[in-house]
Amino acid sequence: NAGVTQTPKFQVLKTGQSMTLQCAQDMNHEYMSWYRQDPGMGLRLIHYSVGAGITDQGEVPNGYNVSRSTTEDFPLRLLSAAPSQTSVYFCASSYRVRQPQHFGDGTRLSIL
Amino acid sequence: DAKTTQPPSMDCAEGRAANLPCNHSTISGNEYVYWYRQIHSQGPQYIIHGLKNNETNEMASLIITEDRKSSTLILPHATLRDTAVYYCIVRANRDDKIIFGKGTRLHILP
Repeated sequence: NAGVTQTPKFQVLKTGQSMTLQCAQDMNHEYMSWYRQDPGMGLRLIHYSVGAGITDQGEVPNGYNVSRSTTEDFPLRLLSAAPSQTSVYFCASSYRVRQPQHFGDGTRLSIL
Repeated sequence: DAKTTQPPSMDCAEGRAANLPCNHSTISGNEYVYWYRQIHSQGPQYIIHGLKNNETNEMASLIITEDRKSSTLILPHATLRDTAVYYCIVRANRDDKIIFGKGTRLHILP
């Protein structure tokens, strides 16, 4: 099993550009979530999904969109990148919301 | 907001037991205590979780006080590879949002 796969691993954007961070899992997990981690800080929840077709906001959702059209994929879209969105982004999944989460290796995003 | 309080950092000598405390004084009866750790810049890794009984697995032990207002994660024989940030999370099984706090940075000293 590949587990939780995030692409790309690194990305540099200019202010105002848009892009999509990909997250895929092959474990048939229902629950998926996105976090951001700024330098020296803990993880902050951006958006999460309890199943295909269902998404909801976390602690810091502004500037980000998500969709969950399939069980496997949970892409995170930056609508208009801002320097404040420079961070490391982690995707996580679990079989049910109550189960421990599996994390991807992260996407390191820099906004110039 | 995170429902837990952890010391920002701790030191432990290699080979000794590392005891990481977590305060969760407002915990509800249906809320579990979860522990994760994050080594360097990797994605967090699940360690252990429990409700009210002490738990042990191949990685660690979790001791929850009788009033459930605090807990301790125990790494029985710490190695340099245990250097990481350790996160204590309290959540009910029905919770959709999984909120991390700032964690404890554990330094293992050779």
